Amino acid sequence: DGGITQSPKYLFRKEGQNVTLSCEQNLNHDAMYWYRQDPGQGLRLIYYSQIVNDFQKGDIAEGYSVSREKKESFPLTVTSAQKNPTAFYLCATRKADRGLRYGYTFGSGTRLTVV
Amino acid sequence: RKEVEQDPGPFNVPEGATVAFNCTYSNSASQSFFWYRQDCRKEPKLLMSVYSSGNEDGRFTAQLNRASQYISLLIRDSKLSDSATYLCVVIRMDSSYKLIFGSGTRLLVRP
Repeated sequence: DGGITQSPKYLFRKEGQNVTLSCEQNLNHDAMYWYRQDPGQGLRLIYYSQIVNDFQKGDIAEGYSVSREKKESFPLTVTSAQKNPTAFYLCATRKADRGLRYGYTFGSGTRLTVV
Repeated sequence: RKEVEQDPGPFNVPEGATVAFNCTYSNSASQSFFWYRQDCRKEPKLLMSVYSSGNEDGRFTAQLNRASQYISLLIRDSKLSDSATYLCVVIRMDSSYKLIFGSGTRLLVRP
């Protein structure tokens, strides 16, 4: 079945450590997005990529980095510069030539906790 | 001011009730609108798109008022399984097609 795989499901990070969250898709979707959700809040956009080897900052990119070397993969690195990384991270995809009314597809998320 | 605003709730209703959620958006250039459903500690899932003429999907009806920049979701004959957070979402119509999320309205349906 086609879908989005995010791993790990739960991740614990020590202060000052960099960690990388994985997002893999076999939907052949062109655009990929990373969102962050804090308790009681809506999702906020961190980074997005519409084609391979290109990505753009979202609304809260500070302390994060991404790469898009393959269409299927869009990993997110949470660096030590991100002062409050504890959150629920969601990866989403969109097929470029599909009408916007179909919305986006989300992965099941990674819960990151700083210990 | 947030770009998409919703009443956080919670709305606590009995089974069988009709409940309505509202949402306002501030960017008049927004062109596409959605309601997503999010269960506790899960990813959001598309409930329905919202069209200018209004649209219905079973017990769910969505309305859009572009003049007032207002979106609504009506749920009829509420079920226990409708308990979730409902997210109002708009697409920012620039080259990114980014989803802009409201913070969600929590619905609790009691027996």
